Amino acid sequence: DAGVIQSPRHEVTEMGQEVTLRCKPISGHDYLFWYRQTMMRGLELLIYFNNNVPIDDSGMPEDRFSAKMPNASFSTLKIQPSEPRDSAVYFCASSPLQASNEQFFGPGTRLTVL
Amino acid sequence: GENVEQHPSTLSVQEGDSAVIKCTYSDSASNYFPWYKQELGKRPQLIIDIRSNVGEKKDQRIAVTLNKTAKHFSLHITETQPEDSAVYFCAASRNTGNQFYFGTGTSLTVIP
Repeated sequence: DAGVIQSPRHEVTEMGQEVTLRCKPISGHDYLFWYRQTMMRGLELLIYFNNNVPIDDSGMPEDRFSAKMPNASFSTLKIQPSEPRDSAVYFCASSPLQASNEQFFGPGTRLTVL
Repeated sequence: GENVEQHPSTLSVQEGDSAVIKCTYSDSASNYFPWYKQELGKRPQLIIDIRSNVGEKKDQRIAVTLNKTAKHFSLHITETQPEDSAVYFCAASRNTGNQFYFGTGTSLTVIP
């Protein structure tokens, strides 16, 4: 298995533009998580899905952020419009239903908003 | 909700010495406590975990202890090596939902 796949790995955009981050979880995993990592705030959980259904989106900072999971193998995190303070590394992670509870992280997307 | 606090935020040790990182949690229903290691520019990766029915777990040079009564758990790294230099995150979770509450991280530097 290739692990959790994220794209793009790096994104540089200008303030006001729409940004879409993509994630493919490990096949068979029932949970998918989106995190944001910054020096100031550490690892923040933005939203997570169970069987493609959003369970908790209380970490989504503003209405500018939205996430979807149209099927078990794909999820997107969209920021519209983007702002410089959105600059961070965004990680996607997936986890099986039970078993070890371990979350497997993707390589992350480094977003820079100018 | 759960609140996880982690200390220290930075830690420097000489190669060969031990390193200890401590975390506390607030939700007595939390029952799974993983530790993740994140090297510079890389993704967090699980290095060890412990469940609430166990007080201690070891894996070679790494050990984790859990005190459920006091709601704290610790990571111990013995005989540290330069490749142990990284940021370490603790987390707490319940079985339901698999949501992790992460600590703020400890930047460990092992000085050769």
